[in-house]
Amino acid sequence: DAKTTQPPSMDCAEGRAANLPCNHSTISGNEYVYWYRQIHSQGPQYIIHGLKNNETNEMASLIITEDRKSSTLILPHATLRDTAVYYCIVRVAHAGNNRKLIWGLGTSLAVNP
Amino acid sequence: DAEITQSPRHKITETGRQVTLACHQTWNHNNMFWYRQDLGHGLRLIHYSYGVQDTNKGEVSDGYSVSRSNTEDLPLTLESAASSQTSVYFCASSELDSQDTQYFGPGTRLTVL
Repeated sequence: DAKTTQPPSMDCAEGRAANLPCNHSTISGNEYVYWYRQIHSQGPQYIIHGLKNNETNEMASLIITEDRKSSTLILPHATLRDTAVYYCIVRVAHAGNNRKLIWGLGTSLAVNP
Repeated sequence: DAEITQSPRHKITETGRQVTLACHQTWNHNNMFWYRQDLGHGLRLIHYSYGVQDTNKGEVSDGYSVSRSNTEDLPLTLESAASSQTSVYFCASSELDSQDTQYFGPGTRLTVL
């Protein structure tokens, strides 16, 4: 199963861009990269996902390297409310159409005033 | 607004008791999931369902059961609670064709004494 590696913690100044890296060097060609975040004491929240191309939505941008072995989640203008644990997840294909997300420990992002 | 709710939010029980955690979603999603979250571990999948009358075991299903009698609800039952099942439990749902874009409930903190 493809797994991901993330730094355990990062800091970012409020108003600056937060760039969260993720390594997934064993990813297969048909595996997507998903990003979720979890604010303290809440359930995880979906952010964005991608396969090969860079993706952007109202929350963040996802940059995937050409070899797909790593990606970066970018929060363009971090706010205090973005303080959370960010999970980079690879969707793993299983028999038939059954798949599951492999959750690691994520990166704890602290946005400082 | 559509939502996913869990009840109770906090529960304390004794070893050996049967406990049922409720999960209710109003998105009309086909897919529903139960996870547990413990310190030092990522979210781990307990059971999941792709529709009414469908249930599947996840990676940590021993001691847990689910049933899906309608689209909106997926209750999780601990047949005989054990201290090792003290955890935070999250329910999630997703659309049929977007299985991995999951929407999470607020969680239930269960303590087994």
